[in-house]
Amino acid sequence: EAGVVQSPRYKIIEKKQPVAFWCNPISGHNTLYWYLQNLGQGPELLIRYENEEAVDDSQLPKDRFSAERLKGVDSTLKIQPAELGDSAVYLCASSPGPQETQYFGPGTRLLVL
Amino acid sequence: DQQVKQNSPSLSVQEGRISILNCDYTNSMFDYFLWYKKYPAEGPTFLISISSIKDKNEDGRFTVFLNKSAKHLSLHIVPSQPGDSAVYFCAASSGNTPLVFGKGTRLSVIA
Repeated sequence: EAGVVQSPRYKIIEKKQPVAFWCNPISGHNTLYWYLQNLGQGPELLIRYENEEAVDDSQLPKDRFSAERLKGVDSTLKIQPAELGDSAVYLCASSPGPQETQYFGPGTRLLVL
Repeated sequence: DQQVKQNSPSLSVQEGRISILNCDYTNSMFDYFLWYKKYPAEGPTFLISISSIKDKNEDGRFTVFLNKSAKHLSLHIVPSQPGDSAVYFCAASSGNTPLVFGKGTRLSVIA
């Protein structure tokens, strides 16, 4: 069974530029999560989707971050404009349902210069 | 305010010995606890979990113990192997709330 796929794996951009990350969850997983992981910290939830509906986006900085999960399968997380402090690893995870074990992708490491 | 705390940033253990990773939590509403393992440049991988109705769950070399009165859980790895060297994250949740992760403990198993 294929795992959670994320791309790109690495991204270097200059501040104020836009950036987008893509995630394809495990087939059949209805719940999709985007996490932010700063160096030396654990993952922190940005947004959770149940199918195509964002059910928890309270931690998403909506002035610059946006996400979508059209058709309830793959998802895109966007930052516009990026700031220096956005340098981190962005993890995507999926689970069959909201209370079930989450499976993580390899993450996208973002460096904002 | 950190709700899930892993107070040891790192731990070194000799191969074949027991590794004990500790985790404390402050939210008494947490009822489900998990351990994830993370290798460099990879995402966290689910290792083992425990519900608050249990005090122990075992899976091969890995055992998680939960002490609800002390709000403490621990992960035991016996025997430790070099391939166990990774960062271990403790996580907790309650009901439909998001998983809350600790900062992780880096385990080094020395051959």
